[in-house]
Amino acid sequence: DTAVSQTPKYLVTQMGNDKSIKCEQNLGHDTMYWYKQDSKKFLKIMFSYNNKELIINETVPNRFSPKSPDKAHLNLHINSLELGDSAVYFCASSRATYEQYFGPGTRLTVT
Amino acid sequence: GQQVMQIPQYQHVQEGEDFTTYCNSSTTLSNIQWYKQRPGGHPVFLIQLVKSGEVKKQKRLTFQFGEAKKNSSLHITATQTTDVGTYFCAGPGGSSNTGKLIFGQGTTLQVKP
Repeated sequence: DTAVSQTPKYLVTQMGNDKSIKCEQNLGHDTMYWYKQDSKKFLKIMFSYNNKELIINETVPNRFSPKSPDKAHLNLHINSLELGDSAVYFCASSRATYEQYFGPGTRLTVT
Repeated sequence: GQQVMQIPQYQHVQEGEDFTTYCNSSTTLSNIQWYKQRPGGHPVFLIQLVKSGEVKKQKRLTFQFGEAKKNSSLHITATQTTDVGTYFCAGPGGSSNTGKLIFGQGTTLQVKP
């Protein structure tokens, strides 16, 4: 059973398009996260939800909007994609502030 | 703002050699976590250290948390090709208990057979 799953695994799109990434966890965790990993492998947190409530909202352009329909799901919608958005996006989950379990990642390429 | 720095950025070793990566935080940490990311993979949790001066071992991996709780290290004895990947340290960020982690830049380990 996959603990944290993300779809799609790869996303290739043109500048200006809108796209969504979905994440689901079956670990029963109460906190979920979105991270962006750039080409230099730097991992930066973007958002975090705890029990469907947004608790971390880092300095991220308004074009990025997370949504958590329930504790097990966290989606990321990106409007008007730009070249600089190309990266690997990881979803993660944790029980409170304990270790985080990462999904397989979504490699986004904007052309 | 709070920073977590890791050195070196890259390390190439011959199989069988030892490897160490160092992590330094600009602030005192309540705990530090270590993750490993294999090439093309996702970060996987290795360990969490909580106590000042704590040392934990996992087979050939030894993790240390500094006395001042501002630095940490990961030492691998007799590296194997399966150790290849990027090792990240991460400390809690911000003042509230949000689960936010500040990651170091990572140390990428290459092991030559």
